[in-house]
Amino acid sequence: EDQVTQSPEALRLQEGESSSLNCSYTVSGLRGLFWYRQDPGKGPEFLFTLYSAGEEKEKERLKATLTKKESFLHITAPKPEDSATYLCAVQSLSSGSARQLTFGSGTQLTVLP
Amino acid sequence: GAVVSQHPSRVICKSGTSVKIECRSLDFQATTMFWYRQFPKQSLMLMATSNEGSKATYEQGVEKDKFLINHASLALSTLTVTSAHPEDSSFYICSVTRSPGGNQPQHFGDGTRLSIL
Repeated sequence: EDQVTQSPEALRLQEGESSSLNCSYTVSGLRGLFWYRQDPGKGPEFLFTLYSAGEEKEKERLKATLTKKESFLHITAPKPEDSATYLCAVQSLSSGSARQLTFGSGTQLTVLP
Repeated sequence: GAVVSQHPSRVICKSGTSVKIECRSLDFQATTMFWYRQFPKQSLMLMATSNEGSKATYEQGVEKDKFLINHASLALSTLTVTSAHPEDSSFYICSVTRSPGGNQPQHFGDGTRLSIL
C-alpha cells in the first residue's frame, strides 16, 4: 500500500526566513510525485511534478527536489502570501489504469510579516 | 485560467435531503474524473473514479448507493449524496487529468462545502 508522510504538520516562519517541507513516501514503483498548494476553502492548486530521483523543479520562491525516498519543497525568502497548506501526493505503478493519487496530510505554512 | 468548474461551492441543508454536485472540465475532454472528500485538518481521500459512459469505480468503504456518480459526457461528472446525514458533512472536491493513463497532474475544482443540519 502506498504511503505518504509529510512533516512538519505546521510551520510558522518570519517573512524572509527560508525553510524546507518534507514528504516521505513508500510506493511500489514511483510514477510521479506531485506538490500542490491549498488555500482555505479551496481545492488544491498544482505546483510541480517530479518523476525521477535527482530531478528538481523551480517556480518563483519554491523549489522541489526528489530522492528515492523523499521530496523536499524549499521555500526561499517566503512572503505572507505563501501562507497555505502544501500537499504532497504520489502516483505509483500499482495505482491502476486510472493513475490515482495518494495524498499526504499536508504542511500548514504560516508566514508572518 | 480555471481548468475545472465545480458547483455549488457551498450547500447547507436538512438531514435526509439529496444533494447534487457538478464538476465540469473546461479545458479538455475528460474521460476520467476523480471525486475526493476532505475532513477538517485532514488530507484528501479518494472516494471514486468517474468514467465517462460507464460505471464509477468506488474506493473501499465508500457506499456506491449513497454517493451516486454520473459521467454522461466528456465535460461533466455529477456526485449525488443521497439522503444526506450530518456525518456526510465534509468538503467534496473533484479533479480532472489530461491523461488518466499517464502521469500528468490532476487539476482540482474549488470544492463544495456540504453542511447537513
